[in-house]
Amino acid sequence: AQSVTQLGSHVSVSEGALVLLRCNYSSSVPPYLFWYVQYPNQGLQLLLKYTTGATLVKGINGFEAEFKKSETSFHLTKPSAHMSDAAEYFCAVSDNPSSASKIIFGSGTRLSIRP
Amino acid sequence: NAGVTQTPKFQVLKTGQSMTLQCAQDMNHNSMYWYRQDPGMGLRLIYYSASEGTTDKGEVPNGYNVSRLNKREFSLRLESAAPSQTSVYFCASSEGAGRGYNEQFFGPGTRLTVL
Repeated sequence: AQSVTQLGSHVSVSEGALVLLRCNYSSSVPPYLFWYVQYPNQGLQLLLKYTTGATLVKGINGFEAEFKKSETSFHLTKPSAHMSDAAEYFCAVSDNPSSASKIIFGSGTRLSIRP
Repeated sequence: NAGVTQTPKFQVLKTGQSMTLQCAQDMNHNSMYWYRQDPGMGLRLIYYSASEGTTDKGEVPNGYNVSRLNKREFSLRLESAAPSQTSVYFCASSEGAGRGYNEQFFGPGTRLTVL
């Protein structure tokens, strides 16, 4: 069975500092991995995804994530935090997103940005 | 192009009351989903519809029913609301099986409180 663990329910960084949100997954088959962002009182929107190929994936708003099979990780990073990055971030895994099957979401990490 | 729309945005029910949450998408997607979001638990799938005319249970289907009214609309019904169903409900849609990567697009959510 697939699962996702997000380390840290709340992360706080200063504006301009590095953002690192941690995600580890469990999957019996090669995974498809996603990061979604949820701004206050809104639905989720896709930030980036890994399906196959290059393990370093770039997304919107300067975020990127690296798939590390040996560590079963897909951590999200951004070199310099901006106030507008304050939101909740969800890591998710699927075994086959080309079918209408389930995507398993992590419990989320709330990112706060200090001025 | 409105994407995924949900009504109502907010609802307060008394225990035992029934209600239907409405969802519509205008992206000609085949697959639609209902999730609930609770603090610290991420998103959990209630039901999904891989294509018009089909529905399947997700992780937490008890106490809910769904109807795929047509390709655009997918409703979620609570027959006898319970306080444990207090949550934020999200509808999502995706292109569907056999159509490559299957990104899910989310609506803005319905915040439901059951007293």
